[in-house]
Amino acid sequence: ILNVEQSPQSLHVQEGDSTNFTCSFPSSNFYALHWYRWETAKSPEALFVMTLNGDEKKKGRISATLNTKEGYSYLYIKGSQPEDSATYLCAFITPNSGNTPLVFGKGTRLSVIA
Amino acid sequence: NAGVTQTPKFRILKIGQSMTLQCTQDMNHNYMYWYRQDPGMGLKLIYYSVGAGITDKGEVPNGYNVSRSTTEDFPLRLELAAPSQTSVYFCASSETGATNEKLFFGSGTQLSVL
Repeated sequence: ILNVEQSPQSLHVQEGDSTNFTCSFPSSNFYALHWYRWETAKSPEALFVMTLNGDEKKKGRISATLNTKEGYSYLYIKGSQPEDSATYLCAFITPNSGNTPLVFGKGTRLSVIA
Repeated sequence: NAGVTQTPKFRILKIGQSMTLQCTQDMNHNYMYWYRQDPGMGLKLIYYSVGAGITDKGEVPNGYNVSRSTTEDFPLRLELAAPSQTSVYFCASSETGATNEKLFFGSGTQLSVL
């Protein structure tokens, strides 16, 4: 069974604080890692798709890094704003995932307090 | 483009009833997916389709059926609803299913089986 672990499960930060959270995945046979942002009552939206070890991606105040050798990705949010409040999902693709092409973690729920 | 459209947004079923969750996309995507999201759990794949006329089971297919008669539509059928099927259901699509391709999600259907 392939597991994608996200930590922490939830966190609360003050507006203006920077924060980060982790996605851990099996380091063998890596294909790609996806990050999605899911606001309550809306559709999950893709933030990043990362495929290469050492990849760094940035979108505004949000950035992500990827280490495929040790099996983790970090998502960073600089200067958190209330509109950043959402659940952040990571998903991992491996040729070993059988009939589940994309294996999702349980998400990190971020609340930004004004 | 409307993207991925799911209906209904909310539904309450009695045990043993049947219903169809509708999903349509207007992006001419080949791949379509149905996921369920249970509290505290990651998205679990129910069924997916790589093109019209082709469907495959995901991780949790029991109790569900799908069909893909056109590229645009991928309905999910519950034949005999059970309380264990209370969940939030998401339909998603991607253009070619490539590992570096992001998924586009619908807005979800919240289903309660009582």
